[in-house]
Amino acid sequence: SQQGEEDPQALSIQEGENATMNCSYKTSINNLQWYRQNSGRGLVHLILIRSNEREKHSGRLRVTLDTSKKSSSLLITASRAADTASYFCGETSGSRLTFGEGTQLTVNP
Amino acid sequence: EPEVTQTPSHQVTQMGQEVILRCVPISNHLYFYWYRQILGQKVEFLVSFYNNEISEKSEIFDDQFSVERPDGSNFTLKIRSTKLEDSAMYFCASSLTLSNQPQHFGDGTRLSIL
Repeated sequence: SQQGEEDPQALSIQEGENATMNCSYKTSINNLQWYRQNSGRGLVHLILIRSNEREKHSGRLRVTLDTSKKSSSLLITASRAADTASYFCGETSGSRLTFGEGTQLTVNP
Repeated sequence: EPEVTQTPSHQVTQMGQEVILRCVPISNHLYFYWYRQILGQKVEFLVSFYNNEISEKSEIFDDQFSVERPDGSNFTLKIRSTKLEDSAMYFCASSLTLSNQPQHFGDGTRLSIL
């Protein structure tokens, strides 16, 4: 499989529910970054987790990193309709970010 | 909050023409990047730039592409002779340093090659 693969490809939930997205990667990373992208817009940085960190929180976001499995997850708690977007993980190796296909999250009001 | 700005938002160009995409990175950032996203596909790294030279480039970034920081604020991507397959969103990004710092993206330039 390719680097930075997100799972699932699409997720539809009701407002107030939690959303979990997973990401797998191939290389030895410096860090892993999660971004969101609204349709037709640029990527907005959410969280950066370093290779020596296992968990990180920011507001309603929680990111975990398992370097032994080369995987990461993004949890959005108490989702809102405004969270509807595509979410990408990007693995950092050297100066480049390598992104996966993303998870399209739809939060229904 | 400081942001990366890109101009134009949409560029339409005839195949074979040269195009220059412009970016103003965040003012105190030292590393600059270009990415592209073909419609419906993932965001792909093109090139990184530091201290007035290319740090790293992908296989996509062939001789048709070049980058330049012509003054203290602008960062440009030039495509010398555009092809139909160059049609994509082009995103500029910048970061404060290389190590464990987020890359901040602009809203992109939609390039349409006719």
